[in-house]
Amino acid sequence: AQSVTQPDIHITVSEGASLELRCNYSYGATPYLFWYVQSPGQGLQLLLKYFSGDTLVQGIKGFEAEFKRSQSSFNLRKPSVHWSDAAEYFCAVGSTGGGNKLTFGTGTQLKVEL
Amino acid sequence: EAQVTQNPRYLITVTGKKLTVTCSQNMNHEYMSWYRQDPGLGLRQIYYSMNVEVTDKGDVPEGYKVSRKEKRNFPLILESPSPNQTSLYFCASSSRATRNYEQYFGPGTRLTVT
Repeated sequence: AQSVTQPDIHITVSEGASLELRCNYSYGATPYLFWYVQSPGQGLQLLLKYFSGDTLVQGIKGFEAEFKRSQSSFNLRKPSVHWSDAAEYFCAVGSTGGGNKLTFGTGTQLKVEL
Repeated sequence: EAQVTQNPRYLITVTGKKLTVTCSQNMNHEYMSWYRQDPGLGLRQIYYSMNVEVTDKGDVPEGYKVSRKEKRNFPLILESPSPNQTSLYFCASSSRATRNYEQYFGPGTRLTVT
């Protein structure tokens, strides 16, 4: 069965510093990969997705992620973090079960220090 | 504005008292799904629907029911709520055009069962 691991439960960075959130997946076939962000009291918003093609994908709000098949990873990056980026971030893999459902990681809580 | 709406946003109830959480989307999406979010567990799929009158179980369906009589609505029914169903619930929808993966989430319903 597919699974997603986000090894960092909490991350704290200073505003203006770079950010990398880690995501590892387990899936037998070519994965469809996603990053979602959840701001406090809000639903989840899609940041970016990888279906195929270029392994470096650009998303909204200045985020990007790189798919590395050899490492089964899909890490999220941002060159310079803003205080408004403080939120919880979820990595997800799409699978063909469950009506093509999303399987989510447990999330990484990002705190931004001013 | 394209959106998924859920009602109520907050609900406190007692064990055994039947309740319904409504979900509606205005994007003409075929696919709808319910997730629950619990600390340390990420989001887990409860039920999903590929289209009107087509529903199926997700990973954690016990204690829940759903129906899909209209394309835009996908209510979640708890016939006899129990404290272990205290959670944050999200409804999501997506289009067959994206193979159901690019999901739009509602704002969430925080349910407390005492």
